[in-house]
Amino acid sequence: KAGVTQTPRYLIKTRGQQVTLSCSPISGHRSVSWYQQTPGQGLQFLFEYFSETQRNKGNFPGRFSGRQFSNSRSEMNVSTLELGDSALYLCASSLAWTDATTDTQYFGPGTRLTVL
Amino acid sequence: AQSVAQPEDQVNVAEGNPLTVKCTYSVSGNPYLFWYVQYPNRGLQFLLKYITGDNLVKGSYGFEAEFNKSQTSFHLKKPSALVSDSALYFCAVNSGGFKTIFGAGTRLFVKA
Repeated sequence: KAGVTQTPRYLIKTRGQQVTLSCSPISGHRSVSWYQQTPGQGLQFLFEYFSETQRNKGNFPGRFSGRQFSNSRSEMNVSTLELGDSALYLCASSLAWTDATTDTQYFGPGTRLTVL
Repeated sequence: AQSVAQPEDQVNVAEGNPLTVKCTYSVSGNPYLFWYVQYPNRGLQFLLKYITGDNLVKGSYGFEAEFNKSQTSFHLKKPSALVSDSALYFCAVNSGGFKTIFGAGTRLFVKA
């Protein structure tokens, strides 16, 4: 069974631009969570989608948004990029909504975003 | 509110020696605990989890973890470390009804 895939793997943008990242979960998984990983802040939860609905949201500004499609693929968008948005963005998929179950989250390889 | 702490930023161990990576947690309900490992330029890989039952959980690559309710700990262990175990390790907790919380990570260095 194929794992979680994320595209693109690397991205370089300039301040003020916007970016869209994509995540395809493991087949059959309906939940997708997004995380931001930086050396200083560690792994920070952005949001979780389950059955096309946002179930949980972390403490990030409104510039960060996401959506999930009927095939469970998810996209994350960051508008008006700032230097501090440079990070590794990870998505994780699980069978069901993580708060309601003990399902394991399986992570993709991440998208390395650099903002210049 | 739930939280998880990994008190050591870095753990150094010689190859062949046992290793321990520490994790403590705080939750209001029953804890569901996870360990993940991250190699450079890779996503997190699942190692093991504790949901209920036996306090000693065995996982991938020879790792195991012991759930200790009285000490609210879930330390990761391996009897004999390998150089290839060098990586960043994350402990995570979920008590149901809340999103999963990850620790800050512990970097493990195994010296040959």
